[in-house]
This record gives sequence, structure tokens and C-alpha cells, in this order.
Amino acid sequence: ETGVTQSPTHLIKTRGQQVTLRCSSQSGHNTVSWYQQALGQGPQFIFQYYREEENGRGNFPPRFSGLQFPNYSSELNVNALELDDSALYLCASSLNSRNPGTEAFFGQGTRLTVV
Amino acid sequence: AQKITQTQPGMFVQEKEAVTLDCTYDTSDPSYGLFWYKQPSSGEMIFLIYQGSYDQQNATEGRYSLNFQKARKSANLVISASQLGDSAMYFCAMRGHLNAGGTSYGKLTFGQGTILTVHP
Repeated sequence: ETGVTQSPTHLIKTRGQQVTLRCSSQSGHNTVSWYQQALGQGPQFIFQYYREEENGRGNFPPRFSGLQFPNYSSELNVNALELDDSALYLCASSLNSRNPGTEAFFGQGTRLTVV
Repeated sequence: AQKITQTQPGMFVQEKEAVTLDCTYDTSDPSYGLFWYKQPSSGEMIFLIYQGSYDQQNATEGRYSLNFQKARKSANLVISASQLGDSAMYFCAMRGHLNAGGTSYGKLTFGQGTILTVHP
């Protein structure tokens, strides 16, 4: 186990609703990244938080937002859910670094289904 | 922009044999890292092996080795002595600078993945 936990593990929402996904990072890690993985695809980077501030974002609309708390846990919020938001959402924690080899530790993900 | 290409949607291998999973990449970053992850049906990404762009030697981790050819921009994963438990999805990924011209590293860019099936 990586020490990164995500909740809930599964979720079903209706189109137009809002959802909040949660991630507890590994102890000592101050950086959290979120990824969206559609079925049969590779994960796509949503955004990254470092010390409670967003410091990088992928090609996702503003209805995808996040928070990082002082204990470095994090939330991913998605407003106005669309059917295409159905995916596995992965959280990864790491130490922000100037070293490209910094390992990211992933949680088991939250599988979101939008109906 | 960074891009990872995995051209093999699926691969089959006999138990105890070796298999190579292909990965090519493209980046303008002078310094970057290349990763391979295994994703079983449970969904968790399991780190396998890492290669830095300035590493002189190919990385090895137990039965995993990375065939890194920088000039060809390829980073193929070799799994020796395949086991039934190796059956999973495998992703090649790259970490470069978080923002263009920046100094912090962050996001991973993943390929489409290769499904590996090990036959007894």
C-alpha cells in the first residue's frame, strides 16, 4: 500500500449535480496531483496543489476545482457534471521537487459514474 | 508539450518468457524522467521503474529493465521471466517541468497503455 487513500471508492451521480472527491496524501508529502482516467485510456493530469495553492493545471474547464488543506489532504470538486465526466479519478502525492525522478504515490482511485 | 506513445494496445506472452513493451516520447524539456507503472484491475497505479534523462545506464529493478535510447526517444520496458501475476495494464509516463520555462517538476504525462496477458 502507498499510504494514499481516496474516498469514496465508487460514486454514482446525476448529470448536472456536483461532486466532491477526497484524498489523504502520504505522510510528509506536500504535493497532491489529480488525474482523470477514462475507460481504456491513460490518466490525464487535472491539476496539482503544493502547500495549499494550485501550481499547475491541465486542459480541464473551471468547473473542475480543488482544495488542499494544511495537513496536505485534498479535495477535487466537479460542478455541473456531464456524462463524459464518468471516469476513474486518481490522486497522487509526492514531494515537490526540482528532481524529475520524484516518485508519485497513487491512491486506488474513485470511480465516478454520471447518469 | 510532452507526449507519450504506446503503440501496442495488447501483448501476449507465455509464462516464464520475456516481453518488451514499447514506449516513445517527445518533449522539449532538457531534463525529464521516464516511468513505467502497472495498473491491475483494482485501479491503483503501481510504480515499477524510473529512468532519468541524464542517467548513463539503463535502469533495472528486479525482473524489470528499461531499454533507454535517448537519441531515438524510446524507453521500452522489458519484463523477464513473466509470471501470471504480471497480467495487467502497463503505462509509460514522463515527468517534465510543471510549466514551460519553470523549474518545478510535477505532472505526469501518460501513454494510452498496453494490456499484457500472460498465458500459463
